[in-house]
Amino acid sequence: DSGVTQTPKHLITATGQRVTLRCSPRSGDLSVYWYQQSLDQGLQFLIQYYNGEERAKGNILERFSAQQFPDLHSELNLSSLELGDSALYFCASSPLVREGETQYFGPGTRLLVL
Amino acid sequence: AQKITQTQPGMFVQEKEAVTLDCTYDTSDPSYGLFWYKQPSSGEMIFLIYQGSYDQQNATEGRYSLNFQKARKSANLVISASQLGDSAMYFCAMRDGPIQGAQKLVFGQGTRLTINP
Repeated sequence: DSGVTQTPKHLITATGQRVTLRCSPRSGDLSVYWYQQSLDQGLQFLIQYYNGEERAKGNILERFSAQQFPDLHSELNLSSLELGDSALYFCASSPLVREGETQYFGPGTRLLVL
Repeated sequence: AQKITQTQPGMFVQEKEAVTLDCTYDTSDPSYGLFWYKQPSSGEMIFLIYQGSYDQQNATEGRYSLNFQKARKSANLVISASQLGDSAMYFCAMRDGPIQGAQKLVFGQGTRLTINP
């Protein structure tokens, strides 16, 4: 158990809908990262937050947004869902950003868009 | 931009044998970090081992060791005395970003390792 929690574990929804994925980082970790794992794109970085502020952005679609709250939990919002958004979404966390800091991954949320 | 290449889509190994999973990387940064993660069929990503670019010695963690060859830009994972529970997908990843800044991970395509009894 990495200490990172993600809810829900599974999500089935329809095209055009909006969903929210939730992540609680390990105790004390200030950085939260979101990744998407799909069959065709592999594992891709979406976005990073550090202590409530956006720190880096990857190949995140405009239909997707995220935020990190004062208690450090984070939410990833996916809207106007398309079939191609079906994927495993991971949240990871790490402490202060420094050399060799490992990112610990949550169990993931498996999203299926029908 | 950083790039990770894992050339072995799948590997089959007999139980108790050692196995080497290949990883090559490309970066122009003098400072970088390399990671290996294991993803079992259940889906979670499990951190295995880390190697920093300035580390003088190869990293080891139990049965896992990292064969780091900087000049060749390779960071192969060695698993000694393989076990059935080692069957999983293995990902090599590199930290992309300055040490004090954003530190996203760039992943390779993965190698599916199957341990046969």
